[in-house]
Amino acid sequence: DSGVTQTPKHLITATGQRVTLRCSPRSGDLSVYWYQQSLDQGLQFLIQYYNGEERAKGNILERFSAQQFPDLHSELNLSSLELGDSALYFCASSVGVQGRDGGELFFGEGSRLTVL
Amino acid sequence: GQNIDQPTEMTATEGAIVQINCTYQTSGFNGLFWYQQHAGEAPTFLSYNVLDGLEEKGRFSSFLSRSKGYSYLLLKELQMKDSASYLCAVNYGGATNKLIFGTGTLLAVQP
Repeated sequence: DSGVTQTPKHLITATGQRVTLRCSPRSGDLSVYWYQQSLDQGLQFLIQYYNGEERAKGNILERFSAQQFPDLHSELNLSSLELGDSALYFCASSVGVQGRDGGELFFGEGSRLTVL
Repeated sequence: GQNIDQPTEMTATEGAIVQINCTYQTSGFNGLFWYQQHAGEAPTFLSYNVLDGLEEKGRFSSFLSRSKGYSYLLLKELQMKDSASYLCAVNYGGATNKLIFGTGTLLAVQP
């Protein structure tokens, strides 16, 4: 158990819909990351937050948005869903943002999204 | 760009040694990490290299050459449970710590 909690574990929805994925980081971790993992593309970095502020952005679509709240939990919002958005969405947390502390990520179990 | 290249698949025999290579673009490099991911599970941290050389941790070792943009993960005394995907990840963030993952190497350990 990494200490990172993600909900829901599984989600099935239709094209055009909107979903929200939730993540609670490990106790004491200030940094939260979101990754998308599909079979053909591996782990794709979406976005990173540190202590409530956006720190880095990857290839996150405009239809996707995220935020980190004062209690440090984070939400990833996916809207106007398309078939290609079906993937495993991982949240990870880390102690800090530099050096090993910034790259030793603790991953949640992921939220598997299926868009039909 | 931030291309990270690894072999897609490798096969090795139980008890043997296997080396998984990773090459990356050096511009903006700020550290390299290896992760292990079993099928259907989350990735877990294995090792961290920021200076040139070898870091050893039990049966696993990781090597880095910053000038060559090259790293490898060495797994000794392979066990069946080592069958997993091994992900090379590079920190390109500088102050922002953007951790980019390669597509991973799927290692199959055979009896």
